[in-house]
Amino acid sequence: GAVVSQHPSWVICKSGTSVKIECRSLDFQATTMFWYRQFPKQSLMLMATSNEGSKATYEQGVEKDKFLINHASLTLSTLTVTSAHPEDSSFYICSARGLQGGPMQETQYFGPGTRLLVL
Amino acid sequence: GQNIDQPTEMTATEGAIVQINCTYQTSGFNGLFWYQQHAGEAPTFLSYNVLDGLEEKGRFSSFLSRSKGYSYLLLKELQMKDSASYLCASMDSNYQLIWGAGTKLIIKP
Repeated sequence: GAVVSQHPSWVICKSGTSVKIECRSLDFQATTMFWYRQFPKQSLMLMATSNEGSKATYEQGVEKDKFLINHASLTLSTLTVTSAHPEDSSFYICSARGLQGGPMQETQYFGPGTRLLVL
Repeated sequence: GQNIDQPTEMTATEGAIVQINCTYQTSGFNGLFWYQQHAGEAPTFLSYNVLDGLEEKGRFSSFLSRSKGYSYLLLKELQMKDSASYLCASMDSNYQLIWGAGTKLIIKP
């Protein structure tokens, strides 16, 4: 149990284009999903927290108009990097947490990550 | 403020035992997590402690002392594949994870 998928695993795009990354919880319902970014040899950095059906909460310094997050269902959240630039190149990882009161209410399970390279 | 401290890097020998320590200070406490992250991959869940004591899971064990704000991850019978970063994270009163910077564990033959 507790499988989270991410698609795509690799993206190479031109500067100025938009990229959408999908995160799905495959075998559980996730009321909360998290989006992280990790640069090489650095710690995980939380970008935003999204709850199903409501607006995402962004961490300080993360532009909400640039990183659009949608959490339309209990199993799917998407992150869209709009007008991507080379400095947005990074490893983007989502995680999902189960329903409050359920057996997986605390633990975050991570997707495999998406490598974004903006040329 | 909220803070998680763990060593930056540790080295151990194949077959040996290693203990990775973590101290935490968070606004409220709803549990302590350990994750393993191999280079270039996403973290994978190892353990969750919310009560004091030792939780054993195969070769890996995790310990928590809430009064001391302290946890450790114990890895026994080390294998080369255990070379990875080990991330300590404390869950605060808002159920948000506060992450440590990770401990890079190097296993030598």
